[in-house]
Amino acid sequence: AQKITQTQPGMFVQEKEAVTLDCTYDTSDQSYGLFWYKQPSSGEMIFLIYQGSYDEQNATEGRYSLNFQKARKSANLVISASQLGDSAMYFCAMREAYNTDKLIFGTGTRLQVFP
Amino acid sequence: GAVVSQHPSWVICKSGTSVKIECRSLDFQATTMFWYRQFPKQSLMLMATSNEGSKATYEQGVEKDKFLINHASLTLSTLTVTSAHPEDSSFYICSARGTYYEQYFGPGTRLTVT
Repeated sequence: AQKITQTQPGMFVQEKEAVTLDCTYDTSDQSYGLFWYKQPSSGEMIFLIYQGSYDEQNATEGRYSLNFQKARKSANLVISASQLGDSAMYFCAMREAYNTDKLIFGTGTRLQVFP
Repeated sequence: GAVVSQHPSWVICKSGTSVKIECRSLDFQATTMFWYRQFPKQSLMLMATSNEGSKATYEQGVEKDKFLINHASLTLSTLTVTSAHPEDSSFYICSARGTYYEQYFGPGTRLTVT
C-alpha cells in the first residue's frame, strides 16, 4: 500500500537561511505524483509544488524546490531564503494510484522560522 | 486562479441538529471534490470523494448516512452533518481537483457541537 513518511515533527530555521523538509514514500506504482502543501495557523491548505514520477528535472516554484530522488523514494522540500511567514505545518502528499484522484498525506512537519 | 471557498468558516450547533457546509470552486470547474476531516495537530483524513452528478465515494469507516455529500454542479459540493454529536466537532476541509491531480483546498470549516 502507498505510504508517505515525514520523520521530522518539527524544524527550526533562521530567517534567510535554507531549510529542507524530508519526505519519503512507498509505492509499487510506476506512475505517481508527489505534492507539498503548507498549512498556516489559519488552517487553509496551500498547494506549493508538484513532481511527477516521470519528470526528469526537479520541480521548482519560486523559493520552493523539490529534491526528487526516485531511487531512494524521497521527495524533500527545500525552502530557500526562509521568511517569517513560512512558519507553518508542511504536508507531503502522494497521488494514491494511477488514474485515481485521491491523495494520501504524511503526518506533517511544523516549521518555525525565527529572526 | 484555482480558488476554493467554503462556507461557513465556523459554526456552533446543538447536539442532534444538522449542519450544512458548502464548498465552491470560484474560478474553475471541478468535476471532483473531496472532503477531509482534521483533528488538532493531526494530518488530513479523507472522508469522501465527490463527483459531479453521481454519488459520493466514502472512505472506509465513514458513515454515509451521517455525512451526506451532494455534488450538484461543477462548482458546488455540500457536506451535511446529520444529527450532529460532540464527537463530530472537528475541522472540515474541502478541496477541488486540478489538472494534474493537485488539489486546491478551501479555508476549512470549524464545527463545534455542544
